[in-house]
Amino acid sequence: QVQLQESGPGLVKPSQTLSLTCAVSSGSIDSGSYYWSWIRQPAGKGLEWIGRLFSSGNTNYNPSLKSRLTISVDASKNQLSLKLTNVTAADTAVYYCAGSGKYLTHFDYWGQGILVIVSS
Amino acid sequence: YELTQPISVSVALGQTARITCGGDDIGNTNVHWYQQKPGLAPVLAIYRNDNRPSGIPERFSGSNSENTATLTISRVQVEDEADYYCQVWDSEVVFGGGTKLTVL
Repeated sequence: QVQLQESGPGLVKPSQTLSLTCAVSSGSIDSGSYYWSWIRQPAGKGLEWIGRLFSSGNTNYNPSLKSRLTISVDASKNQLSLKLTNVTAADTAVYYCAGSGKYLTHFDYWGQGILVIVSS
Repeated sequence: YELTQPISVSVALGQTARITCGGDDIGNTNVHWYQQKPGLAPVLAIYRNDNRPSGIPERFSGSNSENTATLTISRVQVEDEADYYCQVWDSEVVFGGGTKLTVL
């Protein structure tokens, strides 16, 4: 059973870069068996997909965030990472990492989420 | 691509709840459903239209045709009260706006 755990700063200043990591347990993150995504949820609102990392290393980003976004993997640490530059208050949300089986489009695995507040 | 869900659905305890997810020709794509309780991460409830992951009660079922996908919860229990999201893949991941299910 894959387990995911997000970590990172809970407070980021406006215009700075939001950096999060997601530790993956029970399996190698670059085994090619899974696709990894980041999803966020502002307080009281719905889910917003941020982007996805395929087993090939290719990425697929939400067009509305693409210019500010980098999703990558650190295989040595078995971690997924998210970097979102030039943040504003609108980026305040709970951020989830999620996993789906290769070629599948649904998310079987979710981290518990981490709240990130953008504020000076 | 946009997915449209009712903001809220109310159902009496023990009755059947139906939550819809509307989208242009959605019947020709796979729809997935997630249950989210307050303060917790979403949980996959139905995948590929009508498949239940292990651990999801048989009371949960799904269907998908033409322009509407439906999540049906039979014999609704108090613990089913939650937010429900539909999701598709259309060159990117798309979520519906979510439906709050209230058990009366």
